[in-house]
Amino acid sequence: DTGVSQDPRHKITKRGQNVTFRCDPISEHNRLYWYRQTLGQGPEFLTYFQNEAQLEKSRLLSDRFSAERPKGSFSTLEIQRTEQGDSAMYLCASSPSGLAIYNEQFFGPGTRLTVL
Amino acid sequence: DQQVKQNSPSLSVQEGRISILNCDYTNSMFDYFLWYKKYPAEGPTFLISISSIKDKNEDGRFTVFLNKSAKHLSLHIVPSQPGDSAVYFCAASANDYKLSFGAGTTVTVRA
Repeated sequence: DTGVSQDPRHKITKRGQNVTFRCDPISEHNRLYWYRQTLGQGPEFLTYFQNEAQLEKSRLLSDRFSAERPKGSFSTLEIQRTEQGDSAMYLCASSPSGLAIYNEQFFGPGTRLTVL
Repeated sequence: DQQVKQNSPSLSVQEGRISILNCDYTNSMFDYFLWYKKYPAEGPTFLISISSIKDKNEDGRFTVFLNKSAKHLSLHIVPSQPGDSAVYFCAASANDYKLSFGAGTTVTVRA
């Protein structure tokens, strides 16, 4: 399977704990995105990487959130001191550079976070 | 501020008939529009897209229409099949790579 993979698929944690999610993009894709989806809503953009450089961050990404993409391959999204409002599906997507298929992003299955 | 709106949360259609999903947007800078399909427990899957320089794009049973003056696009699925039952998201981009999504429309295809 050469699609976008995410780990874990589900995470249940207690309020105040730290959690980290991992995303492995499609291997030849150098762009990587994180989105958050809450119940009844569409995905909301969080942040975007071009190779290892984080080029854009949404205002949704508070200082408790940090994302990295060392070496321009996999990415991690860490949430510190989780709050119940952080409960959501966290989606990762990747895309190739260039305009062959303009802005088509390939999504992983997501990590569902539940904060108790 | 929701820049992409899907005002119909659900749509029920009989197998073999046409499904029409609608999407409105407010940002005039959007220049690329996409439709994604999502099954439960899976991530969104790209379906079809259209550039703002076109008003129609067709791919098999799926056709997307864009009306820039009305800031409106629609997705037509003809004929609808049971496997089309899913949540459909409209998304748009303003040449900066991030996608803005609507809230989705749940399509149910009845046998």
